[in-house]
Amino acid sequence: AQKVTQAQTEISVVEKEDVTLDCVYETRDTTYYLFWYKQPPSGELVFLIRRNSFDEQNEISGRYSWNFQKSTSSFNFTITASQVVDSAVYFCALKRYLNAGGTSYGKLTFGQGTILTVHP
Amino acid sequence: DGGITQSPKYLFRKEGQNVTLSCEQNLNHDAMYWYRQDPGQGLRLIYYSQIVNDFQKGDIAEGYSVSREKKESFPLTVTSAQKNPTAFYLCASSIMGRTLQETQYFGPGTRLLVL
Repeated sequence: AQKVTQAQTEISVVEKEDVTLDCVYETRDTTYYLFWYKQPPSGELVFLIRRNSFDEQNEISGRYSWNFQKSTSSFNFTITASQVVDSAVYFCALKRYLNAGGTSYGKLTFGQGTILTVHP
Repeated sequence: DGGITQSPKYLFRKEGQNVTLSCEQNLNHDAMYWYRQDPGQGLRLIYYSQIVNDFQKGDIAEGYSVSREKKESFPLTVTSAQKNPTAFYLCASSIMGRTLQETQYFGPGTRLLVL
């Protein structure tokens, strides 16, 4: 079975602190993708990053960085020097092939989400 | 502007009533999806469609129905058979549904409340 666990339900930090959001996944597939999405209070999910199972290079984009470790099945997300605008719910998701109705498609399985609150 | 629109933003349902949530995209994407989000939970897939006139049940399809008559539109009907419809509903689309690397892009959501 496929599963994504975000053990941190809520995190509260003060502005300018660094914060890491954990994501652990389970799958027997060798080919899969991992995603992070941000859900601000407006509700729309905003895509942040995707990473395929064969690419364990860390990624940095401005204040955001991602650490993918296949050995521990983790895909953690770090925000450096957090800002109030970073306050949101963050979702980690796993995408794998699923056969249904005679065709295959890429199915996204989401974690429960981590609520991040950054205080001024 | 290319994107996904959902309407209405808020929807109220009376007991025994069917309601329809609208989802439209102008991204020329083939695949579209409906998800349900409950407080403290991740998103769960209701239905998906990889191409016009075709759709498949997701993990929690009971009490819901969809149609895909046009590429840009994928309306979701919440029927009276859905006993606990109060939730936030998100529509998404991707270029195709069959490849893993494609990203799903989401609309702003519709919040459904039962009166």
